[in-house]
Amino acid sequence: DAGVTQSPTHLIKTRGQQVTLRCSPKSGHDTVSWYQQALGQGPQFIFQYYEEEERQRGNFPDRFSGHQFPNYSSELNVNALLLGDSALYLCASSLTLRDTEFFGPGTRLTVL
Amino acid sequence: DAKTTQPTSMDCAEGRAANLPCNHSTISGNEYVYWYRQIHSQGPQYIIHGLKNNETNEMASLIITEDRKSSTLILPHATLRDTAVYYCIFSASGAGSYQLTFGKGTKLSVIP
Repeated sequence: DAGVTQSPTHLIKTRGQQVTLRCSPKSGHDTVSWYQQALGQGPQFIFQYYEEEERQRGNFPDRFSGHQFPNYSSELNVNALLLGDSALYLCASSLTLRDTEFFGPGTRLTVL
Repeated sequence: DAKTTQPTSMDCAEGRAANLPCNHSTISGNEYVYWYRQIHSQGPQYIIHGLKNNETNEMASLIITEDRKSSTLILPHATLRDTAVYYCIFSASGAGSYQLTFGKGTKLSVIP
């Protein structure tokens, strides 16, 4: 049984560019959350998707947007990249809203 | 914000029990305490969660005080592979959804 998978593993972009990160939830899970983890910090909640809608959002600007597809997979898009967007981006899935979240391995984004 | 207080770091001898404390004095009656750990640059790994009663699984035990203002994660026989950052979290409830709010966690070093 595959757990949460994320792609790509690593990514290097330059300031001003746009990036799309992808996540496939654990089998049977319908809820996906995204987190940003800067070096030396704990993960910070970006937003959560359920039934293809954004259900909850953390304190992140509109440059961060997402999407959930009918098969429950999800994308995180970041526009107009800043140096400060360099971080480990984590996807987590759960059986449904308010259930235990299981995390993927993350995508390491470096903005130069 | 849902805030927890944990020691910044702890050491534990290999084979001994590791007891990781957490204070969560602002937790609400219907919020679970979750514990995750993160081994360097990997995604957080779910360990255990509980509401009121003590819990045990194959990884650890969770002891929650009667007033629910604090808890202790116990790894009964620590191994070198248990060296990681341990996060104590409780959910911040929202209408129909929730988010996990991570702090900086406790860096546990298991020493041979």
